[in-house]
Amino acid sequence: AQSVTQLGSHVSVSEGALVLLRCNYSSSVPPYLFWYVQYPNQGLQLLLKYTTGATLVKGINGFEAEFKKSETSFHLTKPSAHMSDAAEYFCAVSEGNQAGTALIFGKGTTLSVSS
Amino acid sequence: EPEVTQTPSHQVTQMGQEVILRCVPISNHLYFYWYRQILGQKVEFLVSFYNNEISEKSEIFDDQFSVERPDGSNFTLKIRSTKLEDSAMYFCASRYMSSYGYTFGSGTRLTVV
Repeated sequence: AQSVTQLGSHVSVSEGALVLLRCNYSSSVPPYLFWYVQYPNQGLQLLLKYTTGATLVKGINGFEAEFKKSETSFHLTKPSAHMSDAAEYFCAVSEGNQAGTALIFGKGTTLSVSS
Repeated sequence: EPEVTQTPSHQVTQMGQEVILRCVPISNHLYFYWYRQILGQKVEFLVSFYNNEISEKSEIFDDQFSVERPDGSNFTLKIRSTKLEDSAMYFCASRYMSSYGYTFGSGTRLTVV
């Protein structure tokens, strides 16, 4: 069965600092991996996804993530945090070759950005 | 940019009542999903739907729940007899194919009183 572990339920950074949100997954087949962002009282917005190919994936708003199979990780990074990045971030995994398969979410990491 | 639309944005219902949550997925998408998020908890999978039938469902999706795509555009989630613990944000999602990302709607907040 698939699962996602997000290390750290709350991460605080200063504006301009590096953002690192950790995600480890388990999957019995090659996974498809996703990061979603949720702003207060809003839905889930796709930041980026890894399906196949290049392991370094670039997304919206300057975020990127690297798929490391040996470490079963898909950590999200951004070189310089902005106040508008404050939100809840969810890592998710699906068994990619089964299109109807569920997307399994981690518990989420709340990112706070201080000035 | 195409969107997944959910209505209503907030619904309050009495315990034991039936509710129907409505979703209009993106028009050329083939796979449809319902998820829920209880306040302060993670997003949980309920059910996936493809080719007019359920593909997969979680343990949460018991006999009180049903889904339907009645007219080729709407995708509905029905809860037959709501319980207090059904209070949550319900998200609809759709995607075109397996290599594509899931597009989520903005959710329906269901409050059972």
